[in-house]
Amino acid sequence: DAKTTQPNSMESNEEEPVHLPCNHSTISGTDYIHWYRQLPSQGPEYVIHGLTSNVNNRMASLAIAEDRKSSTLILHRATLRDAAVYYCILPLAGGTSYGKLTFGQGTILTVHP
Amino acid sequence: GAVVSQHPSWVICKSGTSVKIECRSLDFQATTMFWYRQFPKQSLMLMATSNEGSKATYEQGVEKDKFLINHASLTLSTLTVTSAHPEDSSFYICSARDEAGGKTGELFFGEGSRLTVL
Repeated sequence: DAKTTQPNSMESNEEEPVHLPCNHSTISGTDYIHWYRQLPSQGPEYVIHGLTSNVNNRMASLAIAEDRKSSTLILHRATLRDAAVYYCILPLAGGTSYGKLTFGQGTILTVHP
Repeated sequence: GAVVSQHPSWVICKSGTSVKIECRSLDFQATTMFWYRQFPKQSLMLMATSNEGSKATYEQGVEKDKFLINHASLTLSTLTVTSAHPEDSSFYICSARDEAGGKTGELFFGEGSRLTVL
């Protein structure tokens, strides 16, 4: 997987928006950008993924820079249940290796009441 | 949505015994599943790729004779930690992708299995 860089930690207040950045300057043209999160003592959970265009789903939005060298996961209104480690990952595209993820340290998101 | 389930959620065993952890895809078929290990305050580390009907592929440094993987059906992969020792205590997590989602879609993770070896 191409390398990604994320801040170690971020803090937010409940009901405020959160912008989680990710740098992936070595991204290739076929790399999708995936975000997963891991709540304490649970397996990771899919959040969102995209290729070039910004993406929205019920959990979050993904804003992808025009040059694709960075992206931002946006939680529109943080709740206490959003406190987790957020991972930005660029899985190998296609082939039998798809699904074989390299997890970095991710960003620990703390949400204050 | 697609679900991956692991069993047991947690297990405590004595040193020297073997422990089997199951990973099931509940509503989709998965020819490939992945096993990860996570130590406290660390990130997930891929251990092996489980392939239905063939041998698993292990990552460098992972002992294949110690961590036996069997993927006998399209919905079940098992990880057996043989002759477990305290240093094998960890959080084991499996993942799978829905083949129908192609090779770019989301991946699904189990809830994790916490192994404690006394």
